[in-house]
Amino acid sequence: GAGVSQSPSNKVTEKGKDVELRCDPISGHTALYWYRQSLGQGLEFLIYFQGNSAPDKSGLPSDRFSAERTGGSVSTLTIQRTQQEDSAVYLCASSPFPQGAGYGYTFGSGTRLTVV
Amino acid sequence: KQEVTQIPAALSVPEGENLVLNCSFTDSAIYNLQWFRQDPGKGLTSLLLIQSSQREQTSGRLNASLDKSSGRSTLYIAASQPGDSATYLCAVRQETSYDKVIFGPGTSLSVIP
Repeated sequence: GAGVSQSPSNKVTEKGKDVELRCDPISGHTALYWYRQSLGQGLEFLIYFQGNSAPDKSGLPSDRFSAERTGGSVSTLTIQRTQQEDSAVYLCASSPFPQGAGYGYTFGSGTRLTVV
Repeated sequence: KQEVTQIPAALSVPEGENLVLNCSFTDSAIYNLQWFRQDPGKGLTSLLLIQSSQREQTSGRLNASLDKSSGRSTLYIAASQPGDSATYLCAVRQETSYDKVIFGPGTSLSVIP
């Protein structure tokens, strides 16, 4: 596709349930990032994938959060046993050449997660 | 540790005014700086990307400057329009840890018709 695609755009879930958020990056982009933005807060880095390398998981807030990227393309962010503090907009971004750092990000529209 | 700040946090101007948004960063060892726009409930849209070797970039009514040595960038918006109302974020990519991008907290802009 022409841009970064995220689904669903909105998700309401009950506390304690698991959720999966999907990101489809721009074709050919080797780097994929997940961020989250809580209400009134700045962007918080979660995880970074680059090609087939081990992901940088240093931003994941707890072991309830995990992410994978299959075939170097689509990524899924999974939150287990959701809590109300997980409510936020989850943003995915991709970048073509992170080593050639002249390139910036392209962001998806985000998934708004509400835990009730 | 890189820290990015943006001043002001919020700005309200009448339509037609020229305005400047400020971004400061503490570590000047950056690869590039990017300005984004975020509309309520939406994702981020890239506006301008400035390489560390560049001084400014222009797109339409937008002009972004970069003074790497002093750790500052400005986004200049000419002849503001109500459609410019949004939150504007700057983000820096580090030289030593270019995998991550550090975002500022944003400036919320309202352009009053």
